Parts: sequence; structure tokens; C-alpha cells
Amino acid sequence: NAGVTQTPKFQVLKTGQSMTLQCAQDMNHNSMYWYRQDPGMGLRLIYYSASEGTTDKGEVPNGYNVSRLNKREFSLRLESAAPSQTSVYFCASSEAGIPFNEQFFGPGTRLTVL
Amino acid sequence: GDSVTQMEGPVTLSEEAFLTINCTYTATGYPSLFWYVQYPGEGLQLLLKATKADDKGSNKGFEATYRKETTSFHLEKGSVQVSDSAVYFCALSTANQAGTALIFGKGTTLSVSS
Repeated sequence: NAGVTQTPKFQVLKTGQSMTLQCAQDMNHNSMYWYRQDPGMGLRLIYYSASEGTTDKGEVPNGYNVSRLNKREFSLRLESAAPSQTSVYFCASSEAGIPFNEQFFGPGTRLTVL
Repeated sequence: GDSVTQMEGPVTLSEEAFLTINCTYTATGYPSLFWYVQYPGEGLQLLLKATKADDKGSNKGFEATYRKETTSFHLEKGSVQVSDSAVYFCALSTANQAGTALIFGKGTTLSVSS
């Protein structure tokens, strides 16, 4: 049982390049999330998917797109990377219907945009 | 909107010292409250949680009590260890179903020396 996995672990991009961050969970969770973590800012929600086939914007969606490929996988795409997108990206998942929305996090992707 | 405020760090303690990390929140409705911990180089892990007023969450010697009257959820531990060195995040959720993301504080770095 791997939990939540993310690839890659590290990535360096040049401004204007594109890339997709991959996330998969094996806990049969309905809901999945993408956060970014910046120093002194805590975690901020980029996008989330309440269930397969649905996606919604979070607090900081600009410059990103997402795809809920199936129940297991939720990818985050940067179409034209900017230095402001240098951050650590975390994917998380949770089970629908539980009262206190416990989320399980992946190990993160550290992205640097030059 | 909903928000979480936690004390800024870093907090530096000697082994076996008493720990308090303050957390207060602003929320409509009846939030669930959480403490997550992030060890160096890892993703976030749920440390403890409380879903209603006066509930006490506890785990690994850490405790926090949901105080509705003071809108607080302070984290405490009677005797810290070097292995407790990590970043601690207070978070809330006002949803009773998955699909709504957590709102995080900015995190407090704890450093424990022997």
C-alpha cells in the first residue's frame, strides 16, 4: 500500500517550458488535491477534485491546469512555467463521506523555474 | 473568509522541555481542527484532530483541545524529543464531506536539541 505517490521528486525548468506533475493514490479515495508550499506561506490550494470527473479551482489556480484521469490519478500541468511557480507541490487525497476530511499527502515535488 | 493563525517560529527547545504552539482560527459554521506535522524532506502527516468543541485530540504525547470560546487549538507536549524536530501546521475544515480543502496556518518550525 504505497498511499499517495508523486513524480517527479525534483524538476528544474526554464521560464516558458511546460511540464506535468503526476499524482496517484491507491487508497480508493474519491477526492484529490494539489497544494503548493512556499516559505512563510503554509500550504495553499491550487485545484481539487471532489470526485472522478470533477475539478474545481482553489485559492491560487492561475497558471495551472489539472486533469482527473481516473479515480486514482490527478495531474497538475504548468503550460508556461514562470519563476513565481518555483515551489514545493503536494498532492493529497481523502475519502468522501467521513466527517473530518482527513487528508493523506504525497512526498512532494520540488520545482525550480529559472 | 476562514483562516488559521499560528505562532511564528522557529521555536528552539532543549530535550525534555515543555512545548506549546499557539493556534487560533476564524471560521463560519463548525470547523474540524487538525495538527499536521512535516518532517524534513517529507510530506505532511496528520498528528491529531478534533471535530467538536471541548474535544481533545492526542497522539504521540501531543495534545490539543478544541476551545470554541477562545477559537483556539493550541498544541502541547510535556517533554519534547530531538525526533520531534519538524514543521507543525494547524489547519481547519468547515466541510463535513470530502472535496473541500483544508485551510492551513503558515507553519511553525520546531527545533529540539539534546
